[in-house]
Amino acid sequence: AQTVTQSQPEMSVQEAETVTLSCTYDTSESDYYLFWYKQPPSRQMILVIRQEAYKQQNATENRFSVNFQKAAKSFSLKISDSQLGDAAMYFCAYRSTNNNDMRFGAGTRLTVKP
Amino acid sequence: SQTIHQWPATLVQPVGSPLSLECTVEGTSNPNLYWYRQAAGRGLQLLFYSVGIGQISSEVPQNLSASRPQDRQFILSSKKLLLSDSGFYLCAWSGPVINTEAFFGQGTRLTVV
Repeated sequence: AQTVTQSQPEMSVQEAETVTLSCTYDTSESDYYLFWYKQPPSRQMILVIRQEAYKQQNATENRFSVNFQKAAKSFSLKISDSQLGDAAMYFCAYRSTNNNDMRFGAGTRLTVKP
Repeated sequence: SQTIHQWPATLVQPVGSPLSLECTVEGTSNPNLYWYRQAAGRGLQLLFYSVGIGQISSEVPQNLSASRPQDRQFILSSKKLLLSDSGFYLCAWSGPVINTEAFFGQGTRLTVV
């Protein structure tokens, strides 16, 4: 089964600065989808950004962008101009094209300092 | 539009009691359905997923089970709860098309005492 690893349990960033959250995954598939989710204190899961494995272009959504390195199986999230509302748990997720399951990493707790 | 309902929101159960958490999806057909557990301050552990009625894939051998009696209904059960079953349980659905993300319910906070 595929595994998703987030090696940073906690990260901190100053307001208006940039922070990068790391994610690596293990798979033998060539086609799959990757996602970043945000979980604020309300615990509602919110999709931040998605990436198709067959696309070389990195996905961007306003202040959020990814660095997708398929050969390295790396999928990092960059948050620019960090805001206090960005403070949350961030989860990296992998969706298989073979069996439809969706696996998450252990999460990174992001703190934004004013 | 599609919606997902999960209940109850909180539950306190004694050790050894049964469990039934229910999740229903509206506004879509043939969704993929998932049950995840999140221990305190931890990541999401995939427990079960289903691609159709009666089709359940189990990821973690334990005293929990799942059933999908109807296309848009997913139930998480236990005959006898353990203390270690405490956690935050999330139901999610995704479309059959592979590029869709998972949409999550509000979650159930289960405390086994």
